[in-house]
Order: sequence, then C-alpha cells, then structure tokens
Amino acid sequence: QSALTQPASVSGSPGQSITISCTGTSSDVGSYNLVSWYQQHPGKAPKLMIYEGSKRPSGVSNRFSGSKSGNTASLTISGLQAEDEADYYCCSYAGSDTLVFGGGTKLTVL
Amino acid sequence: QVQLQESGPGLVKPSETLSLTCTVSGYSISSGYYWGWIRQPPGKGLEWIGSIYHSGSTYYNPSLKSRVTISVDTSKNQFSLKLSSVTAADTAVYYCARVGSSMVRGVIRTSYFDYWGQGTLVTVSS
Repeated sequence: QSALTQPASVSGSPGQSITISCTGTSSDVGSYNLVSWYQQHPGKAPKLMIYEGSKRPSGVSNRFSGSKSGNTASLTISGLQAEDEADYYCCSYAGSDTLVFGGGTKLTVL
Repeated sequence: QVQLQESGPGLVKPSETLSLTCTVSGYSISSGYYWGWIRQPPGKGLEWIGSIYHSGSTYYNPSLKSRVTISVDTSKNQFSLKLSSVTAADTAVYYCARVGSSMVRGVIRTSYFDYWGQGTLVTVSS
C-alpha cells in the first residue's frame, strides 16, 4: 500500500482556477470512485471538501469540484480566494477495507 | 453537531505503548458508522492508522497492523488507540475521526472522514 502521488505545491492568483492531481494505481484510485479530498490550514484539523470522487458535503463551496480519469483523481478550485491557501490531501479506498492518503499539496494564492 | 476529542499522554518513552482515547459527543457510536485514527508527523502528510465499527470489527493499515489495537467502549461513547513498541518515528499529531461509508457494487466500503477531532501531539522521547 503506497501513498498516492500529489504535486508538492501549486499556486494561482485570486480569481483563477487551479487543479491538484492525485495519482494512484489500478488497485485504489483506478478501481473505485472513492476518492476524498481534505483542506488543512496550519495548526488545524483537516476538513472534508469532496467525497466519493465528486460529491460536496453540505457547507462546502461549489468552487470546489472533483473528478477522476483512470488512475488519477483531481481537485479543481475555481475563483481562487486568499482563504483557499492551505494544504490539500487526497485519500482513496485501497481495497480490503484500507484507506491511503496522498502526500499532500501546498496551495499558494499569489 | 458531532464532536470528537482526543485525550492521552503527550509524551511516551521509546519501546513503550502509546495510548489515546477519543470521546464522541453529539452522536452515539452505537448508532453506526466506523470510527478511525489518523496521524500526521510534524511537517509531513496524513497516514491512516485504522478504523473500528461499534460491533468491534477493525481494519488496520498493513504497515502498522502488528503494533496497533483499536477498541471501542459504547457505554462511554469512546474508542481508543494503542500503538506498541513506539520509536521517534511515531511522533505525530494523532487525530480521531468519523468514517463515512459508501456503497460500491452492492458492498459497503469505508471511504472518507467527515468529522475530525482537533488532534493531539504525541512525542516519543526518553
């Protein structure tokens, strides 16, 4: 069970859109539409932003969207805002009732 | 509103056992859902440790399975983590969380963490 692969960092200007990728294998991301995404501000607990690949929990802005193609899932944030600056983690069901996280991506809003 | 709170020693000696408890309020563990532990070493990413159902069914990260025990006490609405033979590499912020499930091909699978505790830092040092 290896960690999912995310870019270490991404950046964008206010108002722009950015996409964070999360690459796994045919045993996890590729086999199940069970990728979730979390936002973590410094010193805070992670917050669920997307689950089951593309569903948003109540209260999460519709600027956040999720998708998947093959073994890669993606999180897109549109209309970037300063408050979106945070670390983002993906997580996938990996079979046999196990879960695996990505290494995390630091989003900088320029 | 579901709330989770971790508690336990903030300092553990190498080779000893780390023990943490998560107290849940606003929801009865006996009502359903899996409940899980996740950790985050300082400056690093998240790692799933394991999950437990109110019935006691458990699932563990294969890389930690030999050292981890997760248990549940429905009378206290708590679940607990024990990690044995700790080393400095086990120093981390430990989070407890509620685990959401999804139906996949007719089977329920644990798949996301919707409510989290604030986390507690555990340092392994002599």
